[in-house]
Amino acid sequence: DTAVSQTPKYLVTQMGNDKSIKCEQNLGHDTMYWYKQDSKKFLKIMFSYNNKELIINETVPNRFSPKSPDKAHLNLHINSLELGDSAVYFCASSQAGGGSNEKLFFGSGTQLSVL
Amino acid sequence: QKEVEQNSGPLSVPEGAIASLNCTYSDRGSQSFFWYRQYSGKSPELIMSIYSNGDKEDGRFTAQLNKASQYVSLLIRDSQPSDSATYLCATLSGAGSYQLTFGKGTKLSVIP
Repeated sequence: DTAVSQTPKYLVTQMGNDKSIKCEQNLGHDTMYWYKQDSKKFLKIMFSYNNKELIINETVPNRFSPKSPDKAHLNLHINSLELGDSAVYFCASSQAGGGSNEKLFFGSGTQLSVL
Repeated sequence: QKEVEQNSGPLSVPEGAIASLNCTYSDRGSQSFFWYRQYSGKSPELIMSIYSNGDKEDGRFTAQLNKASQYVSLLIRDSQPSDSATYLCATLSGAGSYQLTFGKGTKLSVIP
């Protein structure tokens, strides 16, 4: 069983569209994250949720809205997609978050291409 | 602004040699340090973590930390072609922090 699974793996869409990426973890972790990795491989945190509560909201356009229906799921909805949104988006989870033993488990990534 | 700096490479080493990957960080409050490996087209995976000054060894991997110099490194002994990947350095600031700060990664190529 995949520990952190996200769908879809590839997403090709036109500018201005709205799209969602789904993420689920079956590890029983309390904390989930969304990271964005740009073409230069720079991995940057976007959001973090702990037990369904938003704890990190980095400087991200408000077109990006995370939603956590329960602690095993963290979805990412993106409105009015722009060319600059093209990147790989990784979902991740960790046991407790904030501890010194911070091991992130990553999903396989969603390659978003905005045309 | 917390920053983690890495030489982007590519770093090329012959098979069997020692690969040395370096990382510096700006936040003196950083307490935990991690090395993630990312194969092309794949997700990052944790390979080493280190919290105290000195060396930590795990198989062919050795992480080294010097908090006074704000420097952390990863040595890979007996490098194999399968070690060819991008290595991401990451830091975690203080207890209660949920936010890992990643460097841009160093691409390592091990030449057979």
